[in-house]
Amino acid sequence: DAGITQSPRHKVTETGTPVTLRCHQTENHRYMYWYRQDPGHGLRLIHYSYGVKDTDKGEVSDGYSVSRSKTEDFLLTLESATSSQTSVYFCAISVVEGMDTGELFFGEGSRLTVL
Amino acid sequence: AQSVTQLDSHVSVSEGTPVLLRCNYSSSYSPSLFWYVQHPNKGLQLLLKYTSAATLVKGINGFEAEFKKSETSFHLTKPSAHMSDAAEYFCVVSDRINDYKLSFGAGTTVTVRA
Repeated sequence: DAGITQSPRHKVTETGTPVTLRCHQTENHRYMYWYRQDPGHGLRLIHYSYGVKDTDKGEVSDGYSVSRSKTEDFLLTLESATSSQTSVYFCAISVVEGMDTGELFFGEGSRLTVL
Repeated sequence: AQSVTQLDSHVSVSEGTPVLLRCNYSSSYSPSLFWYVQHPNKGLQLLLKYTSAATLVKGINGFEAEFKKSETSFHLTKPSAHMSDAAEYFCVVSDRINDYKLSFGAGTTVTVRA
């Protein structure tokens, strides 16, 4: 089974501070994703990665950056957090190789509150 | 652009009665369609997927969905609800035009009454 660990699971921070969320997978899946979940919006794609150092933007990428220096780790950074970035963030991986399968395995989420 | 509309934000059923969650989609190309489930404080889990094979798709935990191109719908059903079905359900669409990125509906919360 695919394993995903997100850290931290909960974080409270202040406006203007930098925040980094980490997603770690235990297998060598190529595709990794960061989503945010907000009431009434479902999940929206922030950024995704298709390999080490290969990343691309999703539909809500403004204010976020990502990095993938190792296959197993995908980091999401908020350079200067704002209250509109208060959300639950989910990391996901494609368990069947390729973006076209739609079969994602999700982590348990990181709840971020920006005061 | 691809999109999905989940027609009910909340559905309440009695245990043992049928469940129907409605989803309409918009896609300019042959879509793939999915239903995901999210239990409280958990990540999402794939229930079932449609990818242009059989229009009636069976998933896990007794759920099934029917793809109807003429109605642009992909409704999720289960004949008999169980207490463990209480969760939030997301209808999802992807297609080649959008590089297979997933577009999620807003979600339907299911409550099961004893």
